[in-house]
Amino acid sequence: AQSVAQPEDQVNVAEGNPLTVKCTYSVSGNPYLFWYVQYPNRGLQFLLKYITGDNLVKGSYGFEAEFNKSQTSFHLKKPSALVSDSALYFCAVSLSGGYQKVTFGIGTKLQVIP
Amino acid sequence: DGGITQSPKYLFRKEGQNVTLSCEQNLNHDAMYWYRQDPGQGLRLIYYSQIVNDFQKGDIAEGYSVSREKKESFPLTVTSAQKNPTAFYLCASRATPTSTDTQYFGPGTRLTVL
Repeated sequence: AQSVAQPEDQVNVAEGNPLTVKCTYSVSGNPYLFWYVQYPNRGLQFLLKYITGDNLVKGSYGFEAEFNKSQTSFHLKKPSALVSDSALYFCAVSLSGGYQKVTFGIGTKLQVIP
Repeated sequence: DGGITQSPKYLFRKEGQNVTLSCEQNLNHDAMYWYRQDPGQGLRLIYYSQIVNDFQKGDIAEGYSVSREKKESFPLTVTSAQKNPTAFYLCASRATPTSTDTQYFGPGTRLTVL
């Protein structure tokens, strides 16, 4: 079985400060990892993914994430938060190889304070 | 949300009624998915289709039905057997069912049972 944990229900950060949204995963094999963002009453928007290669993945809107195999983590980061980054963020994992389901975390609400 | 449309945006159902949620994609994607989103529970997979004329049950298929008669369309019917249907429903697609491909989401339909 595979699972994703997002340990923080909500993260508050001041505008201009760096932000981190945490994600840890559990799979019985090599993972594929994804981050999505959701604004109120909207669908999920894809931010970035890790498949293989460089552990630091850069994505949309200045976001990046670092894959850490030993800590089974894939934390989302941004050097300088914007008020418009306030939204719900989802981490997701899939097992590598062939056709595999995607398992989503429960989401972390990011609040950027002006 | 571009490329995947869901209708209606809001839907109200009386108890005992079946309702059908529409999902259409113009991305020429082979695979399509239906998820249910409830507060604090993340996304849960209802049904998925890897290719036209084929579909499989996800984790919470009871009380739901789907069809995939056309590549671009994957409607979801919420039947009267679904005991707690009030939720936000999200449709997604990806180019192929392969795990490396990204899932892209529609804008969602919010279903409320009166």
